Amino acid sequence: KAGVTQTPRYLIKTRGQQVTLSCSPISGHRSVSWYQQTPGQGLQFLFEYFSETQRNKGNFPGRFSGRQFSNSRSEMNVSTLELGDSALYLCASSRGGIGTSGRVFTDTQYFGPGTRLTVL
Amino acid sequence: GENVEQHPSTLSVQEGDSAVIKCTYSDSASNYFPWYKQELGKRPQLIIDIRSNVGEKKDQRIAVTLNKTAKHFSLHITETQPEDSAVYFCAEGGSYIPTFGRGTSLIVHP
Repeated sequence: KAGVTQTPRYLIKTRGQQVTLSCSPISGHRSVSWYQQTPGQGLQFLFEYFSETQRNKGNFPGRFSGRQFSNSRSEMNVSTLELGDSALYLCASSRGGIGTSGRVFTDTQYFGPGTRLTVL
Repeated sequence: GENVEQHPSTLSVQEGDSAVIKCTYSDSASNYFPWYKQELGKRPQLIIDIRSNVGEKKDQRIAVTLNKTAKHFSLHITETQPEDSAVYFCAEGGSYIPTFGRGTSLIVHP
């Protein structure tokens, strides 16, 4: 199977602009999660989408938004960029974490290569 | 999942030594504990995981142990090699997605 892909890989923007990042999950995976990674801050969870619905949300301002399409591909958007938004943005895909009996479990996440965003 | 604490933040060892990274969690419903390795400039990759129905799992030089009573789990790397140098993240999961620790930077000196 092809792995998780993200586009673009690198992006340079200026303050006040907006940006859209794209993530294509592994075929058959229905869950896509987004993370922001900055030096010393680990993996900060942004949000998770499952079957086109936002199922979980982290503690980020409303400038960060996302969506998921019927083919499970996901996009995240950051509006009114700030210098502090410079980071590596990672997406991860998984099957979705719902068992055949409806029981919830945490499924293995597979990460994409990330998009390096630099805000000047 | 809720909070997960990871220690140490930096670990420096000599080649051939063992390395141990510990994580503690607070959510008693947590039942999945993966470990990821992130080499410089690359994506995090799963190296080993354990579910709550077992106490230990090994894969060659790496092992993970889980103590559900104490709510902590650890990654053990034996006979470390320079290529083990990376940032390691623990995570715990009790819901749809895991909660990650802040990472441990492991440096293996040749």
